[in-house]
Amino acid sequence: AQRVTQPEKLLSVFKGAPVELKCNYSYSGSPELFWYVQYSRQRLQLLLRHISRESIKGFTADLNKGETSFHLKKPFAQEEDSAMYYCALGNNAGNMLTFGGGTRLMVKP
Amino acid sequence: NAGVMQNPRHLVRRRGQEARLRCSPMKGHSHVYWYRQLPEEGLKFMVYLQKENIIDESGMPKERFSAEFPKEGPSILRIQQVVRGDSAAYFCASSPNPGTFTGELFFGEGSRLTVL
Repeated sequence: AQRVTQPEKLLSVFKGAPVELKCNYSYSGSPELFWYVQYSRQRLQLLLRHISRESIKGFTADLNKGETSFHLKKPFAQEEDSAMYYCALGNNAGNMLTFGGGTRLMVKP
Repeated sequence: NAGVMQNPRHLVRRRGQEARLRCSPMKGHSHVYWYRQLPEEGLKFMVYLQKENIIDESGMPKERFSAEFPKEGPSILRIQQVVRGDSAAYFCASSPNPGTFTGELFFGEGSRLTVL
């Protein structure tokens, strides 16, 4: 069975502070991991995928298979980063995503 | 491209009534997913469909819930004899053929069901 755990429901930081949103997964196959974001009054949308090794809006995430983690990081948080963030795990068949419980990030001025 | 369209955006039902939620996928997408978000919880997978076929319904409650995606028209999530515990936001997402699936699901704005 695949499972995604985001231990923090809420993370509150000040503008300019570093941010790390934690994500741990459980999966017997080769994992494909993603971060999705939902800004206020907007649809849930893809932020980044581990396979791309990309930095989007200053965010990065590294897949650590040893620790089964895929934490999302940004060195300097901005107020516009305030949103709901979901970590997601894709199955090997490539047709389904399992989401974590989400973490609400609040960046205070 | 209008994106994934869900309606109604808000639906209020009394206990025992039926709820029908509709989802039109993005143009060119042949696969639809339904997720449920209970208050203070994350997104929970319910069902994955392609046209006229249910691929995976492992997340669907065994009773009262059903889903379809007919050859013509939107996908429909149907909840019979609703109870207060069905109150939630129901999100639909679509993707192109899984052969080209990159992990990006395109989500609708959700349908919020309130059961009185």
